[in-house]
Amino acid sequence: QVQLQESGPGLVKPSETLSLTCTISGDSVSSANYYWTWIRQSPGKGLEWLGCIYYSENTNYNPSLKSRVTISVDKSKNQFSLKLSSVTAADTAVYYCARDRSNGWYGIDYWGQGTLVTVSS
Amino acid sequence: DIQMTQSPSSLSASVGDRVTITCRTSQNIGSYLHWYQQKAGKAPKVLIYAASNLQTGVPSRFSGSGSGTDFTLTISSLQPEDFATYYCQQTYSDFPRTFGQGTKVETK
Repeated sequence: QVQLQESGPGLVKPSETLSLTCTISGDSVSSANYYWTWIRQSPGKGLEWLGCIYYSENTNYNPSLKSRVTISVDKSKNQFSLKLSSVTAADTAVYYCARDRSNGWYGIDYWGQGTLVTVSS
Repeated sequence: DIQMTQSPSSLSASVGDRVTITCRTSQNIGSYLHWYQQKAGKAPKVLIYAASNLQTGVPSRFSGSGSGTDFTLTISSLQPEDFATYYCQQTYSDFPRTFGQGTKVETK
């Protein structure tokens, strides 16, 4: 059974960097079949795809955030991480990590439970 | 980026009703369209993948159709547990893998 678990601070100050980690169990971040993905949802709003990383460590980001977002992988810990710089209140959201089949045919089949990050001084 | 237009943004329905939600894309995406259900405080879960394929474990009252730019999610007979928000997502254009704006299904 695949499980994904987000972790990181629930409160970040404006202008600082938001950092979250997703720990994978039941699968490997080195699998060539999946994009390991970050998605967020602002309070009362829809889903926003942030970016993803492949086993080769190639990354892809949402152009709307590209200059601020970095996704990396730690294969030794079977984790991948999100960093979002220069945050503002608009970055307050529930952040989900997820597993997305790389061929695009199956949709996102596993999600973490989500973690709320609030940007406030 | 591929733009997604999902409608309606919300609807009111009763148990037993047939419910239809549509998703339109700004360009041809073949069948690379998926439908998710999200309940309050929970992560989304995939209901339909590749436009018309029922995810394992999802009740058969859910169905999807369409290809190209126009897609539909249908709930044939709405059940109490189906009151939720539904999202479409395209994965044809590699990135970003955009979502529709969501449709909230509420009780009438």
